[in-house]
Formats: sequence, C-alpha cells, structure tokens
Amino acid sequence: AQSVTQLDSHVSVSEGTPVLLRCNYSSSYSPSLFWYVQHPNKGLQLLLKYTSAATLVKGINGFEAEFKKSETSFHLTKPSAHMSDAAEYFCVVTSNTGNQFYFGTGTSLTVIP
Amino acid sequence: DTEVTQTPKHLVMGMTNKKSLKCEQHMGHRAMYWYKQKAKKPPELMFVYSYEKLSINESVPSRFSPECPNSSLLNLHLHALQPEDSALYLCASSHPWGQPNTEAFFGQGTRLTVV
Repeated sequence: AQSVTQLDSHVSVSEGTPVLLRCNYSSSYSPSLFWYVQHPNKGLQLLLKYTSAATLVKGINGFEAEFKKSETSFHLTKPSAHMSDAAEYFCVVTSNTGNQFYFGTGTSLTVIP
Repeated sequence: DTEVTQTPKHLVMGMTNKKSLKCEQHMGHRAMYWYKQKAKKPPELMFVYSYEKLSINESVPSRFSPECPNSSLLNLHLHALQPEDSALYLCASSHPWGQPNTEAFFGQGTRLTVV
C-alpha cells in the first residue's frame, strides 16, 4: 500500500528565512512523488515532481525537494520565504498503477512579515 | 494549453435539484478524475476514468453520477444531494499509467453549496 505522511500540519516562518516542509512516504515500489500548492479557494498547482530521475528536483518559484530512498523522505525546501508562499502544501504519491494519487494531510505555511 | 477548465465556479443548489458539474481539458490526457475537498482537508478521490471508461469508484453515493462523453470532457451529475455534500469539487487529468509525465493537472474547482 502507498501512503504519505506530512509531519507538520502547520509551519510558520519569517519572510526571507528558509522553508522546510517534511514528507515521508510508504511504498512497496519505486513511487512517483509530487508537491502541490493550493492557495485559498483555488485549485492545486504542481510545484515539482520526482519520477526516478535526479534525486534533487527543482520546481517553480524557487522550491526544491530531495528524494531520499534510505529515509523514505521527500522534503520540500526554499531558501528564502516570500509572502506569496503562504498557502497549503500537499505531498502526493502515485499508486503502483499510476491511476491514483494519494495525498498527505497537508501543511499550512504561514509567512510572517 | 495546460489548463483544466471547470464550470461553474460556484453553485448553490437545493436538496431536490438536479445539476451538473463540467470539466474540460485539451492536453490529450486519457485519465480524468473527480475529487471532493472539504475545508482544511486534502482532496478525496471520488472517481477515475481511464480511456473514457470508469476504472475507479471510491464507494461514492449514487446521488453522484459521473460521465465521460469523450476524451476531453468529464461531467459530474448531482441529484438529491445533502448539505454535507457541500465542498470544493476538483477535476484533474493526467496521462494514463505507463506513460511519462504522469503528474495530474487540476482545475480551479467548483464550490458547491447544498441548501
């Protein structure tokens, strides 16, 4: 079975400081992993994806994530938070058939001016 | 074009009404999805269509009826809903399993309120 665990339901950072949003996954195969962002009352936007190529993945808006198989982790980072980064972030893993996307419970990011 | 377009953006309906949500994509994706999202919660999968055939139904009540008339369109027909069905309904599309670039693209959602 596949699942993702987002370790923090809420993260608060000051503008200009680093962001770390944590995600651990459980999978019996080599998964595809994604980070999505959702601003209030909006749909979900893909930030970045890991699909068994490079383990360090660069995404949009300065976000990065590193796939660590030994730690079953896929943490999302950004060197310097911006006010516009305040949103809900979801870590997502696909099923072994790829036809289902399993969502973590989400992390709400607050950026303090 | 990397958009998934959902209409309407907002919908208020009574418990005896019949309404439909619509979703359209022109990315050539042959997998399409309906998700339900309650406030402060992650999206919950409702249905998956693969090559225009229903492949997954996550035990959704029959008052929700999906339809995939062609490879670009996905509908969700609503009938006799309950107030607890009020939520953001999200449509998504992706390439089917086995193809590269299988990330899902999401629409902006339909905010449904059942009164």
